[in-house]
Amino acid sequence: AQSVTQPDIHITVSEGASLELRCNYSYGATPYLFWYVQSPGQGLQLLLKYFSGDTLVQGIKGFEAEFKRSQSSFNLRKPSVHWSDAAEYFCAVGADSGGYQKVTFGTGTKLQVIP
Amino acid sequence: KAGVTQTPRYLIKTRGQQVTLSCSPISGHRSVSWYQQTPGQGLQFLFEYFSETQRNKGNFPGRFSGRQFSNSRSEMNVSTLELGDSALYLCASSWADRTSGQAFFGQGTRLTVV
Repeated sequence: AQSVTQPDIHITVSEGASLELRCNYSYGATPYLFWYVQSPGQGLQLLLKYFSGDTLVQGIKGFEAEFKRSQSSFNLRKPSVHWSDAAEYFCAVGADSGGYQKVTFGTGTKLQVIP
Repeated sequence: KAGVTQTPRYLIKTRGQQVTLSCSPISGHRSVSWYQQTPGQGLQFLFEYFSETQRNKGNFPGRFSGRQFSNSRSEMNVSTLELGDSALYLCASSWADRTSGQAFFGQGTRLTVV
């Protein structure tokens, strides 16, 4: 069975600084990978996804993520953080489970942005 | 195209009561998943329904149940509510076929048990 680990529960960065949120997955084959963002009191919104091909994936709001098979990682990055990026971020992995994708979410990383 | 709709958005119930939450998926989606989100436990998977059948289930007590109708709309029920059931309940729908696991989330139902 697949699993996802987000080792950082809470991260604080200064506005304008770069950001990297870590995600490690466990799955025997090449997984489908997702990053979602959740603003307070809202549902989750997809930032980007990786299915195959180029291992550097561009998403919305200036985010990107890189799939590294050797490290079983799919870290989310942004070169310059804005105050509006303060939210909770979830990594998810989808794996083939008898003809359909079963998606497993990580526990989330809460991002605080300070002026 | 309408998104995932959850009703009601907010709910206050008394301990011991039961509650039913509703989720209308995106048109064409056959899979509906439910999640419980609390500050202490984070996002936890409750169950997933596909074509009216429960396909996956998380580690929750039997007080938590759900069902899916032929039009893919889903309901979840919590009986004998406990204070610890206070949470944001999220519903997500997807095609859930072999090639697309992307989930689309509703805004959630905020349940408060007093």
